[in-house]
Amino acid sequence: GENVEQHPSTLSVQEGDSAVIKCTYSDSASNYFPWYKQELGKGPQLIIDIRSNVGEKKDQRIAVTLNKTAKHFSLHITETQPEDSAVYFCAASKGGGADGLTFGKGTHLIIQP
Amino acid sequence: EAQVTQNPRYLITVTGKKLTVTCSQNMNHEYMSWYRQDPGLGLRQIYYSMNVEVTDKGDVPEGYKVSRKEKRNFPLILESPSPNQTSLYFCASSYRSPGSYEQYFGPGTRLTVT
Repeated sequence: GENVEQHPSTLSVQEGDSAVIKCTYSDSASNYFPWYKQELGKGPQLIIDIRSNVGEKKDQRIAVTLNKTAKHFSLHITETQPEDSAVYFCAASKGGGADGLTFGKGTHLIIQP
Repeated sequence: EAQVTQNPRYLITVTGKKLTVTCSQNMNHEYMSWYRQDPGLGLRQIYYSMNVEVTDKGDVPEGYKVSRKEKRNFPLILESPSPNQTSLYFCASSYRSPGSYEQYFGPGTRLTVT
């Protein structure tokens, strides 16, 4: 089955700096790659996703890049703010997302004031 | 308000005492799923359902049962809970239409089995 590796497990950055979280996947048939943000005491919430026919997608301060050849994708957060502090999960799916997600182990992002 | 609800939010029980965690969504989603979240292990899928009366095992199904008799409900059943099932559980739902695969998660159920 699919295996998703996520790094780092913890990331501490100064407010205003950029943060990058990286994931690799094992199944070349995977074609949908979402990122979820989990705030303390809440369920994960989708923040951005990308499909295999696209190399990059951006939404305000958040961007995701995908390298299908290398089977890795990354989340980029620019101009980090205190409210960006959370646990971030990457995931991969073969069915375009319809048949379930395999998640990475998560990254705890800490924004230092 | 579109949402996924879970009950109870917190539960402490003893080994072997059957329990059910309920999950309900009001978005008419076809797909529903249960995950458990453990420190250092991320989110692991327990069971999922593509639609009413259609369920299938995820990555860690041992010790769990599910049913999908109605589209909106997807209860998780632990027939004989054990301490290794102590975890944070999330229910999620989504459409299965192309372009609409965002999974909506419930608030979580923290289960402790002693």
